[in-house]
Amino acid sequence: DAKTTQPNSMESNEEEPVHLPCNHSTISGTDYIHWYRQLPSQGPEYVIHGLTSNVNNRMASLAIAEDRKSSTLILHRATLRDAAVYYCILLNAGNMLTFGGGTRLMVKP
Amino acid sequence: DAGITQSPRHKVTETGTPVTLRCHQTENHRYMYWYRQDPGHGLRLIHYSYGVKDTDKGEVSDGYSVSRSKTEDFLLTLESATSSQTSVYFCAISEGQEGTGELFFGEGSRLTVL
Repeated sequence: DAKTTQPNSMESNEEEPVHLPCNHSTISGTDYIHWYRQLPSQGPEYVIHGLTSNVNNRMASLAIAEDRKSSTLILHRATLRDAAVYYCILLNAGNMLTFGGGTRLMVKP
Repeated sequence: DAGITQSPRHKVTETGTPVTLRCHQTENHRYMYWYRQDPGHGLRLIHYSYGVKDTDKGEVSDGYSVSRSKTEDFLLTLESATSSQTSVYFCAISEGQEGTGELFFGEGSRLTVL
């Protein structure tokens, strides 16, 4: 299965943009790139996903490199409520999500 | 919010006793999953189901069994609980559309095996 690599932790200031990177150099052509986040003491929550083109939704934006070997989750204005662990995951037609270690985002007021 | 509930939310039991965790959904989604989460390991898939009576193993299935006799319920059973199965267990559901695979997670069940 394709794997992803993310930094263990990142810090951001409140109301500033945050760019969370993810490397997936062994991605296959049919793998979708998914992002989930997990707030303390809660189950993971879907954030966004994409295949080739950049994607935007109410929570975030996803920028996918042209060669698809990396992607970046963009939070346009971080709030204290965005402090969480963010998981970058590759999903194939088997429809099983395999979670890696994720990036712990800390937001400073 | 997706209609997914787990029970019990907290349980303390002793080594060697059987334990069953229940996941109930009201969304009529095809796929259901059980994950466990431990410090330093993230979430790991235990078992999943792709329909009534259709289940398969995940990466950490030893010591666990599952059953799905109807669409809305997915049961996880520890036949003889061990201390290594102390963990937080999450159920998730998905419509299973290829490429979408958006999972909705329950709030988790914290199991302590003494």
